[in-house]
Formats: sequence, structure tokens, C-alpha cells
Amino acid sequence: SQKIEQNSEALNIQEGKTATLTCNYTNYSPAYLQWYRQDPGRGPVFLLLIRENEKEKRKERLKVTFDTTLKQSLFHITASQPADSATYLCALDMGFSNTGKLIFGQGTTLQVKP
Amino acid sequence: ETGVTQTPRHLVMGMTNKKSLKCEQHLGHNAMYWYKQSAKKPLELMFVYNFKEQTENNSVPSRFSPECPNSSHLFLHLHTLQPEDSALYLCASSQVAANTEAFFGQGTRLTVV
Repeated sequence: SQKIEQNSEALNIQEGKTATLTCNYTNYSPAYLQWYRQDPGRGPVFLLLIRENEKEKRKERLKVTFDTTLKQSLFHITASQPADSATYLCALDMGFSNTGKLIFGQGTTLQVKP
Repeated sequence: ETGVTQTPRHLVMGMTNKKSLKCEQHLGHNAMYWYKQSAKKPLELMFVYNFKEQTENNSVPSRFSPECPNSSHLFLHLHTLQPEDSALYLCASSQVAANTEAFFGQGTRLTVV
């Protein structure tokens, strides 16, 4: 079955630096890969979606890359701010059954220090 | 606000109680989902409803019973739960045909005592 690995350890960086989070998966490449942000006690909020035939996607200070050879996606936050502190989830949409079913990683917690 | 509303936000129940979680979406989506999120574990998909029909049940124990009366409302009926069922229960919706993102509610923090 498909497995997703995200860094389980928290990532601590200084304000203004670029945060890079990793999502690795096994087996088949997904049709779509999504990134979400989750704050404590709240539901995840969608950030970016990248398709299997796309290499890179950007939105403001966010950038996602997708390498189907390495079976990996990288999520970058440039010029990070303390308000970016949260848990970031990677999710795979295999696209097989068209049910919208997502497989989530356990998330990486980012702490941006002022 | 994401357009997906869950009630209640917090729930404490005994193992012999019966309770229900409610989810409502105002986005016109055609699919709704229940996820369970336990500490230090990934979100686990429990149930999927497409056009009000249940299309997936991920080996969820029968003490959890979903109901989808229409495409805007989703319930999760709880009965004879165990302490290990304590978790954050999240409802989500999406427009499946467009392969777009899921919109999540704020979740119900459930504690079984």
C-alpha cells in the first residue's frame, strides 16, 4: 500500500530564512499531490496542488516541487515569518477511483523564531 | 471560515453513551468525508460519500455509523465507544470531478471516558 513519509521531527528556523519540508512516497506516483497547513486544534487548510506532469508550482512565498523519479515533493516557504509556524501536511490523490480520496502524511511541524 | 461547519467542537462521552457528530457544507460540493486524527498519527480516512452514496468504508468498526441524508449534510453516529476512539474527528468536502482540494471543518475533539 502507498506510504508517505514526512520529517517527524520539528523543523526550527530563524525568521527570514527559507523553510524546506520533504514528502517522500512509495509505490505509484499520485495523479496529484497537495500540501495543507494545520494549526493546533483546527482542520487542515489547503495551500497548493501540483500535478504529476508539473515540476514546480508557486504561490506568493510558497513553492512546491514534484519529482516522480525520486518519488518526492519539496515544499518551500521563503522569507519565513513566525506566523508560518504550523504543521504542514502532504497528501496524495491517486486519482484512480475519482472519489477524491486523499492519503495523508503525518505532517512536519515548523517553528519560525523571531 | 472554510464553508464546512462541524458541531459540536468538543464532546466528552461515556462508553455507554450514544452521540452524533454533525457536518454541513455550503460549497455545493458532491463529496463528503470523515477523517480521524489521533496524536502523532496521520489523518485516517474513515468514510467517503459521493453524491450521497457511501463509496468507501475503511474497515471502520461498526460502533461508528455514518449517515448522509443529502449532499450538504453528513453525520457520524457514535455508540459504545472505547477510550482509544478519543481523537479529533474531521469532516471534509470536495468537488470530485474537478480534482480539486478538500475543504475541512474545524473538527470535533472527542474524549471517551
